[in-house]
Amino acid sequence: QVQLVESGGGVVQPGGSLRLSCAASGFTFINSGMNWVRQAPGMGLEWVAFIRPDGNNDKYYADSVKGRFAISRDNSKNTVFLQMNSLSAEDTALYYCAKGVSNWGNFDYWGQGTLVTVSS
Amino acid sequence: QSVLTQPPSVSAAPGQKVTISCSGSSSNIGKTFVSWYKQLPGTAPELLIYDNYERPSGIPDRFSGSKSGTSATLAITGLQTGDEADYYCGAWDSSLSVVLFGGGTKLTVV
Repeated sequence: QVQLVESGGGVVQPGGSLRLSCAASGFTFINSGMNWVRQAPGMGLEWVAFIRPDGNNDKYYADSVKGRFAISRDNSKNTVFLQMNSLSAEDTALYYCAKGVSNWGNFDYWGQGTLVTVSS
Repeated sequence: QSVLTQPPSVSAAPGQKVTISCSGSSSNIGKTFVSWYKQLPGTAPELLIYDNYERPSGIPDRFSGSKSGTSATLAITGLQTGDEADYYCGAWDSSLSVVLFGGGTKLTVV
């Protein structure tokens, strides 16, 4: 069965960096677009970033993280990453890894999330 | 960044039907595809509808999606207490090259 397991969250000071990982299994990772979606405490869903399947590797970002966050993937390890720099309190959220399906913007499988807290 | 517009809350009695609307623009709902998600407290979202009206395997046909112009609708029939949750719509915006989500709708089954 499909599994997405996020890791790398934690408490970081404003201005700091974190690298999130999402280990995928149960599907053909190289053929799947992968996304990061976040949810601040008590708030709604906010899409963060998308990386297309191998062979293209195009990347897309929400305006709120462009220039600070970078999504990447290692198809040999079935893992997608999110490098987060210049973190601020507004980045505090539960970060989900989500697998894309069919047309862009559809997410058929989600991980359980990893919590990022930006606080001094 | 702009979001898709959903009502904050809806409610209906068990066994009844409820609809949740999602309003966008010509560059997102009007041009691309809509998905719908259900989120129970403390859990990850679950895909209910993708590509406007397609249901993933395992999603009962009580859930249906439709789209007209720049708006989409999720309909749930035969409401059950287990349907109480937050529901989100989502769509790719072809002009901004981003995914947009609605603000979420809290469904209460009373």
